[in-house]
Amino acid sequence: GESVGLHLPTLSVQEGDNSIINCAYSNSASDYFIWYKQESGKGPQFIIDIRSNMDKRQGQRVTVLLNKTVKHLSLQIAATQPGDSAVYFCAENNNFGNEKLTFGTGTRLTIIP
Amino acid sequence: KAGVTQTPRYLIKTRGQQVTLSCSPISGHRSVSWYQQTPGQGLQFLFEYFSETQRNKGNFPGRFSGRQFSNSRSEMNVSTLELGDSALYLCASSPSGPNTGELFFGEGSRLTVL
Repeated sequence: GESVGLHLPTLSVQEGDNSIINCAYSNSASDYFIWYKQESGKGPQFIIDIRSNMDKRQGQRVTVLLNKTVKHLSLQIAATQPGDSAVYFCAENNNFGNEKLTFGTGTRLTIIP
Repeated sequence: KAGVTQTPRYLIKTRGQQVTLSCSPISGHRSVSWYQQTPGQGLQFLFEYFSETQRNKGNFPGRFSGRQFSNSRSEMNVSTLELGDSALYLCASSPSGPNTGELFFGEGSRLTVL
């Protein structure tokens, strides 16, 4: 398959363990944050989002934490599975009405069977 | 419901040529965004269209252009291709815009410029 982000930060986690992927953002005006998952040969796929009026949001096996004080975002994946192996991107929307997302550089997560 | 469809999936061009990429959004979605993805620069925003109007544009030269049709389908064009234009071009659609909900991405058009 095709390779994306050859110089990405990487994270390897044993299957069944929890993983935490971190992201820092710089724009304090950002009010909407999203995590995307990109598997080899595919486009990014939405995982979970959070708005700046919240500090935590949970989905199925995933939790996003937002710390506005230090401009930090994290994605926690519980009980990781081989299918979780992918590149994970955080994205932010800065300024309401600015119809674009700014993506982070991504983290390559590898689940070790 | 069909997802976002991009054509062609793969193409090879030579320097100086031009290319047109096509994107069909999810039915009912009126916003279409385009992104360029490269290993060195990651995902970079090109432009976003809503109801045939470009609402925002990224920091790309004028060789990159796009348009949206009345049926929400979108095309992007790159003229006078350069080697550095080799990338995966991703299209994403949403009902009303990137800051009001998730973007649904297509699988991309991989452009190689020789």
